[in-house]
Amino acid sequence: AQSVTQLGSHVSVSEGALVLLRCNYSSSVPPYLFWYVQYPNQGLQLLLKYTSAATLVKGINGFEAEFKKSETSFHLTKPSAHMSDAAEYFCAVSDQRRGSQGNLIFGKGTKLSVKP
Amino acid sequence: EAQVTQNPRYLITVTGKKLTVTCSQNMNHEYMSWYRQDPGLGLRQIYYSMNVEVTDKGDVPEGYKVSRKEKRNFPLILESPSPNQTSLYFCATRRALRDQPQHFGDGTRLSIL
Repeated sequence: AQSVTQLGSHVSVSEGALVLLRCNYSSSVPPYLFWYVQYPNQGLQLLLKYTSAATLVKGINGFEAEFKKSETSFHLTKPSAHMSDAAEYFCAVSDQRRGSQGNLIFGKGTKLSVKP
Repeated sequence: EAQVTQNPRYLITVTGKKLTVTCSQNMNHEYMSWYRQDPGLGLRQIYYSMNVEVTDKGDVPEGYKVSRKEKRNFPLILESPSPNQTSLYFCATRRALRDQPQHFGDGTRLSIL
């Protein structure tokens, strides 16, 4: 079965510091992977996606993620955190099993706090 | 502008009183889906639809119904709501292809007393 594990339900960084949000996946077939961000009282917004092209994926707002097959990881990074990055982040894998229709399987989310 | 519109955004109601949460999209997407979001559990899929008149259960379908009579609409129906259905609900859509990202509505916060 496919699954996603996000390490750390809460991450706190200082403004200007590196942001690293961890995501590991389990998949029996080559996965499609996504990172979404949720700001308070809003829906989920796509940050970036990996669909078997380049392993380093650049997204919006300065975020990027690297697909590492050997580590089954898809960690999200940003070199310098801004106050506006405070939100909840979700990693998701697209279920590629037969009959699944590519349904998304989400991790439990990581809340990012940014300290001034 | 691409939109996924959910109504209502907030609802407080009582156990057993039937309610419907509507979802409408203007992108002509084939795939539509409902999720519930609970603290510490992330998003879990309730039902999804690949096209008109084609629906299927997700991971947590108990207590919910859906219909897809038109491509643009995918209502979520709670025939007899219970307190354990208090949650934040999201509708999402995407084009049919599996590698396409989903577009999410802004959510509906339901409180069942």
